[in-house]
Amino acid sequence: DIQMTQSPSSLSASVGDRVTITCRASQSISTYLNWYQQTPGKAPKLLIYAASTLQSGVPSRFSGSGSGTDFTLTISSLQPEDFATFYCQQSYTTPDTFGQGTRVEIK
Amino acid sequence: QVTLRESGPALVKATQTLTLTCTFSGFSLSTSGMCVSWIRQPPGKALEWLARIRWDDDKFYSTSLKTRLTIFRDTSPDQVVLKMTNLDPMDTATYYCARTPHYCTSTSCLDLWGQGTLVIVSS
Repeated sequence: DIQMTQSPSSLSASVGDRVTITCRASQSISTYLNWYQQTPGKAPKLLIYAASTLQSGVPSRFSGSGSGTDFTLTISSLQPEDFATFYCQQSYTTPDTFGQGTRVEIK
Repeated sequence: QVTLRESGPALVKATQTLTLTCTFSGFSLSTSGMCVSWIRQPPGKALEWLARIRWDDDKFYSTSLKTRLTIFRDTSPDQVVLKMTNLDPMDTATYYCARTPHYCTSTSCLDLWGQGTLVIVSS
């Protein structure tokens, strides 16, 4: 199975900060990479698919980049509703695998 | 409006078989490119992908759980069922079903999720 490693595992940031989360695959996955946001007690929400395509309805402050093994999710200006846990998911080969998550907390 | 809803027992005993049902509306699993997946999340832990069924009835499973999982579809009403055998307390988790729409079949993105159902496995 392909292993997905996110970094950092958690971070503290302030409203208005630029935040970058990294996801690394154990082998090349082209751009078969999706990003999700999960708030406590809720189901995950799709943010980005195919590494860089913004899901409909998702604010433009979210962006994704990368290909091969290294990917990033960037929030250009953190908003109060963005404090959550973020997950990457690869689907280059089945089984799909998720990263361990990155928790974004309020500083 | 597209919705998915999971249902099943909240408490099961170890060694038993768990049957979870995902009832969906607003789309057809027969449409080319559509998929439904099951994902679980133990309390306080990360997401774990379990299984997927495609529009053409092709099925895929988690490597570590494939001997214990069966996914299939029922059309009356529109449902996807997941069976997991030989339960263990480590299977305690919130179980979600989610849809892959035709526009991102290639990346198997999960654009809509059910609210999840918590299953506790007692020893």
